[in-house]
Amino acid sequence: GENVEQHPSTLSVQEGDSAVIKCTYSDSASNYFPWYKQELGKRPQLIIDIRSNVGEKKDQRIAVTLNKTAKHFSLHITETQPEDSAVYFCAASGNNAGNMLTFGGGTRLMVKP
Amino acid sequence: KAGVTQTPRYLIKTRGQQVTLSCSPISGHRSVSWYQQTPGQGLQFLFEYFSETQRNKGNFPGRFSGRQFSNSRSEMNVSTLELGDSALYLCASSAGGTGSNQPQHFGDGTRLSIL
Repeated sequence: GENVEQHPSTLSVQEGDSAVIKCTYSDSASNYFPWYKQELGKRPQLIIDIRSNVGEKKDQRIAVTLNKTAKHFSLHITETQPEDSAVYFCAASGNNAGNMLTFGGGTRLMVKP
Repeated sequence: KAGVTQTPRYLIKTRGQQVTLSCSPISGHRSVSWYQQTPGQGLQFLFEYFSETQRNKGNFPGRFSGRQFSNSRSEMNVSTLELGDSALYLCASSAGGTGSNQPQHFGDGTRLSIL
């Protein structure tokens, strides 16, 4: 089955700096890659996603890049703010009939004011 | 639109008991997936239901089961509870359909504690 690895497990940045979180996946058939943000005690919230026919996608300060050949994808957050502090999860899903996400282990991002 | 609603929010059970968790998806969403979240294992897929049928299943023992009703609401049942079943159980709904994956939106979860 699919295996997703996520790095780093913790990331500390100064407010205004950029943050990058990287994930690798094992199943070359995977074609959908969402990112979730989970604040303490709250639900995972979908912040951006990308499909395998696209190399990059941006939404304001957030961007995701995908390298299908290398089987890795990354989340980029620019101009970080204290409210960006949370745990971020990447996930991958294959081209099967349905929705079955395999998650990475998570990255705890801390933005210092 | 109302989001995904899970009940109850908290449950305390003892070993050997069984429990049923409920999930009401976003209106119009036909796919409901269940995930278990623990500090040690992270987020793990349990199963997905679409049109009252289990469409995908993760690597969990048969003590974990679920079902979906005609209004797309879903329930998850865990029998013969073990200490290791203590976790946050999250439900996610999506528009469903076949082919490409659809974005999944999570509920607040049910925190299950086994004593």
